[in-house]
Amino acid sequence: QLQLQESGSGLVKPSQTLSLTCAVSGDSISSGGHSWSWIRQPPGKGLEWIGYIYHTGTTYYSPSLRSRVTMSVDRSKNQFSLRLNSATAADTAVYYCVRSPQTWLIYFESWGQGSLVTVSS
Amino acid sequence: EIVLTQSPGTLSLSPGERATLSCRASQSVSTNYLAWYQQKPGQAPRLLIYGASSRATGIPDRFSGSGSGTDFTLTISRLEPEDFAVYYCQQYGGSSYTFGQGTKLEIK
Repeated sequence: QLQLQESGSGLVKPSQTLSLTCAVSGDSISSGGHSWSWIRQPPGKGLEWIGYIYHTGTTYYSPSLRSRVTMSVDRSKNQFSLRLNSATAADTAVYYCVRSPQTWLIYFESWGQGSLVTVSS
Repeated sequence: EIVLTQSPGTLSLSPGERATLSCRASQSVSTNYLAWYQQKPGQAPRLLIYGASSRATGIPDRFSGSGSGTDFTLTISRLEPEDFAVYYCQQYGGSSYTFGQGTKLEIK
C-alpha cells in the first residue's frame, strides 16, 4: 500500500525558504516509472501544481514558480523534497506530495495527507 | 498555458438526482488528457477519472467522464450522500499541468 507523508516547516517567515520532504513507503522511488510532484492549495482556494521530479533527479517546474523552486530526490531514504525561496504570504497553503502513474502521464493517482505551511512574521 | 473553466461554481442537488459538471479548456487538450478529482473538507483530493473517461481504481460506476477537445463532463448518475464535495478537473496534455477552479456540489 503506497503511502506518502509530508513533513517540514509549518511556519516560515517572509523572505525565508519553505522546505518540505515527502517520505514514500510501499514503493521505491528508485524503481522508476513514476513522476513525483508537489501540489499546493491555499486555504479555501483551488489546486496549483508546483513541479515534478523523476528518480534520476530530472525536474520540471511550473513556469510561474520556476525562479523560486528547487526539488531534489534522496533515493537512499526513499524521499523527495521541495524548497521554495523568498516566501511570501501568498505561499501560505497546504502542500501535497503526489505520485503520477507514469513519467509522461502527469495526473495524480496517490496523494499525501498534506502539510499546512504558513508564511508569517 | 491551458486555462480550465468549470461550471457551475456551485451545484445544489438532492441525493438520488443526477449531477452534470462541466470543464471547458481554453485550447484543445491533447489526447484527451483530462482528469477529475473529488475533494472533501480536510482531505486530500481523490482521483476519479483519467483520460477523460477512464475510472480510477475503486471508483463506483455511478461516476463517468466524457468529452474531447475543449469540452469535458463529469456525470454522477445517482447522487449518494458521500458524493457531496468539491470537484476539480485537471489537464495534463499541455506543457504545464493546470486545474480548474472547482465545482462545489452541495445538498439541496
